[in-house]
Amino acid sequence: AQSVAQPEDQVNVAEGNPLTVKCTYSVSGNPYLFWYVQYPNRGLQFLLKYITGDNLVKGSYGFEAEFNKSQTSFHLKKPSALVSDSALYFCAVKMAGTYKYIFGTGTRLKVLA
Amino acid sequence: NAGVTQTPKFQVLKTGQSMTLQCAQDMNHNSMYWYRQDPGMGLRLIYYSASEGTTDKGEVPNGYNVSRLNKREFSLRLESAAPSQTSVYFCASSPPLAGGGDTQYFGPGTRLTVL
Repeated sequence: AQSVAQPEDQVNVAEGNPLTVKCTYSVSGNPYLFWYVQYPNRGLQFLLKYITGDNLVKGSYGFEAEFNKSQTSFHLKKPSALVSDSALYFCAVKMAGTYKYIFGTGTRLKVLA
Repeated sequence: NAGVTQTPKFQVLKTGQSMTLQCAQDMNHNSMYWYRQDPGMGLRLIYYSASEGTTDKGEVPNGYNVSRLNKREFSLRLESAAPSQTSVYFCASSPPLAGGGDTQYFGPGTRLTVL
């Protein structure tokens, strides 16, 4: 069965430090991978996606993610965290030819001033 | 351009009552989705509509029905609400993209409590 795992419920990082939010997936075939962010009492907002091509994907607000096929991972990164990055982050996967997205359980990022 | 809108924002029901959650998008997207979000469980797909006139079950369809009224609107109905349906409900839409890597756009959510 297809699945997405976000192994950390919460990640704490000091402002100015680099951050990583982890995501691994288990699917058959070639996946499309996404990161979304959710601020309190809001809907999810798109950050970035990997479809094909360069394994390093750059997205909104200075975030980037690296697709690693051998490790089946798609970790979200940012070189220098801001307090305003504090939010709930979701990884998602979708298979070509299907309409269903599978979301991870989310990781709460807390950036400390 | 309002994007994806949902009504109501908040609702409290008693067990056994019915209600319809409304969703509309003004981006001319073909596909629309209903999710529920529960703590520690992420987003789970209830129903989706790949295009106008079609609907399909997602991961957790029991207790829900949907209607794709037209290209813009996709409603979710709870016929007889149960406390287990207490959740935050999100509607989303996505455009078609060759290859399938289409981005979803989410509404602000409806917070439903069933007593």
